Amino acid sequence: AQSVTQLDSQVPVFEEAPVELRCNYSSSVSVYLFWYVQYPNQGLQLLLKYLSGSTLVKGINGFEAEFNKSQTSFHLRKPSVHISDTAEYFCAVSDLGSSNTGKLIFGQGTTLQVKP
Amino acid sequence: NAGVTQTPKFRVLKTGQSMTLLCAQDMNHEYMYWYRQDPGMGLRLIHYSVGEGTTAKGEVPDGYNVSRLKKQNFLLGLESAAPSQTSVYFCASKNRGPSTEAFFGQGTRLTVV
Repeated sequence: AQSVTQLDSQVPVFEEAPVELRCNYSSSVSVYLFWYVQYPNQGLQLLLKYLSGSTLVKGINGFEAEFNKSQTSFHLRKPSVHISDTAEYFCAVSDLGSSNTGKLIFGQGTTLQVKP
Repeated sequence: NAGVTQTPKFRVLKTGQSMTLLCAQDMNHEYMYWYRQDPGMGLRLIHYSVGEGTTAKGEVPDGYNVSRLKKQNFLLGLESAAPSQTSVYFCASKNRGPSTEAFFGQGTRLTVV
């Protein structure tokens, strides 16, 4: 079975500071990894995804993530955050089981609070 | 282009009442999902469908039923609502395969009193 753990439930940071949101996963097979963002009172939207190839993945709004197979991690980073980045961020893995259902398994979420 | 539309956006139910949440997508996606979001627990899969006329249980299916009579619609039913079903419900759809992007509706906030 696959699982995702987001190590921080809340991350407060000042505007223009760098930020890292941590994600670890557990899986006995190869995985696809995703980061989704949820702005207040909205649905989730895709930030970036790792399928294969380069372990550094760039997404929208200046975010990037690095896949580390040996540490089973997929941490999300941004060098300089804006107030508008305040949101909840979810790490997810795609179920690659034989059923091929495309199911996503989500972490608990990390609330990023950017302070002026 | 509407994407994924959920109806209603808010609802308050009394314990024991029933209701149906409607999810409609206009992207011709094969796969559709219902999740519930609770504080500190992320999103948990309730039921899903990999095509018209097919449904399957997810991680937390008890107390819910679903139907996918048309490809574009995925209905989530609560036959006898309980306070434990107070949550925010999200519908998502995607193309076939584990690597494709899931598109989410804006959510339905349900309170059971």
